[in-house]
Amino acid sequence: EVQLVESGGGLVQPGGSLRLSCAASGFTFKSYNMKWVRQAPGKGLEWISYISSSGTTIYYADSVKGRFTISRDNAQNSLYLEMNSLRDEDTAVYYCVRGGNYYVYWGQGTLVTVSS
Amino acid sequence: EIVMTQSPATLSVSPGEGATLSCRASQSVSSSLAWYQQKPGQAPRLLIYGASTRATGVPARFSGTGSGTEFTLTISSLQSEDFAIYYCQQYNNWPPWTFGQGTRVEIK
Repeated sequence: EVQLVESGGGLVQPGGSLRLSCAASGFTFKSYNMKWVRQAPGKGLEWISYISSSGTTIYYADSVKGRFTISRDNAQNSLYLEMNSLRDEDTAVYYCVRGGNYYVYWGQGTLVTVSS
Repeated sequence: EIVMTQSPATLSVSPGEGATLSCRASQSVSSSLAWYQQKPGQAPRLLIYGASTRATGVPARFSGTGSGTEFTLTISSLQSEDFAIYYCQQYNNWPPWTFGQGTRVEIK
């Protein structure tokens, strides 16, 4: 069974940093592209970052470019999102998602709250 | 960036009735269009990909049509479990992969 389990969310002050992790199991992690998608409270879905299966190709949404860094450890079956210079508008549930284009498998999400 | 626009924002439907949700792309996305269903407190669930192909386990009452810039998700006879928010998403021109703002289907 495919499982994606996010962790690392929490309350952080504006300007602060946080690192999200996603533990993958039930499939050959190193063979799949991965993404982070977020959802602000009561709002829609927003793709924010993509990493290819090998980690060599990375994309970011303009809203997070220069502040967030996606990475992966294929030996540990893990995906990461390093978030710096956090803003109020980064408050959201962050989902780890398998796949390049459309998404069958989602994690349960981890809530990041940016507030003073 | 391709902008996806969904209509209506909210659709009020009685159980057993049908529902038609629309999604428009700001430029052609061919058939690279997916639909998701999201219930409160849950991650989205993939319903349709390739504009018209149902994902595994999705009931036949869900159907998707369209290509280019105009797409439709039809639910033929709403069941209680179908009241949720529905999102469309394009994957033809990326990055970014973009979602519509969602249509809420509520009980009338």
